[in-house]
Amino acid sequence: AQKVTQAQTEISVVEKEDVTLDCVYETRDTTYYLFWYKQPPSGELVFLIRRNSFDEQNEISGRYSWNFQKSTSSFNFTITASQVVDSAVYFCALSEEGNTPLVFGKGTRLSVIA
Amino acid sequence: KAGVTQTPRYLIKTRGQQVTLSCSPISGHRSVSWYQQTPGQGLQFLFEYFSETQRNKGNFPGRFSGRQFSNSRSEMNVSTLELGDSALYLCASSLGLSTDEQYFGPGTRLTVT
Repeated sequence: AQKVTQAQTEISVVEKEDVTLDCVYETRDTTYYLFWYKQPPSGELVFLIRRNSFDEQNEISGRYSWNFQKSTSSFNFTITASQVVDSAVYFCALSEEGNTPLVFGKGTRLSVIA
Repeated sequence: KAGVTQTPRYLIKTRGQQVTLSCSPISGHRSVSWYQQTPGQGLQFLFEYFSETQRNKGNFPGRFSGRQFSNSRSEMNVSTLELGDSALYLCASSLGLSTDEQYFGPGTRLTVT
């Protein structure tokens, strides 16, 4: 069965620090998709990235970057030069091929202090 | 393009009552999924609809049901409400596959007293 673990429940950083959010997943499938979502205080989940299991290239989007390592079943998310607006709960999620539902981790609450 | 909309945004109900929540997906999206979010259990999958057919169902009692209409709009219903049903109910839409990006609505905050 698929499972996503976000071991960090809460992280607090000072503005402009870099921060990495960890995500470890379990799946028996060879084809799967990994996602990150951001949930600001307003409650709506905001899609950040989708990555398939065959693409291990790291991805960078502005201050955000993602490191996918199949060898350790991890899909970590780094925010560079964090800002107060980055304060939110971040969820990692996994979907296996075959139209199985999205499975979410418990989330990591990030607080960026000015 | 308009995002996913959910109505109502907030709802207060009494134990034993029933409730219907509505979700309008992004135009062109044919798949709608529902999730329940609580502080204790996190985000849990309820069900998914594609072209008016339920494609997946989570591990929830039969009191939770849903449907999808020909215009892809979806509703979920919870009958005989219990205190534990208090949660944020999120709807997400995608083009078609469960592995596609899912775009979420703002949610309906249900409080059962």
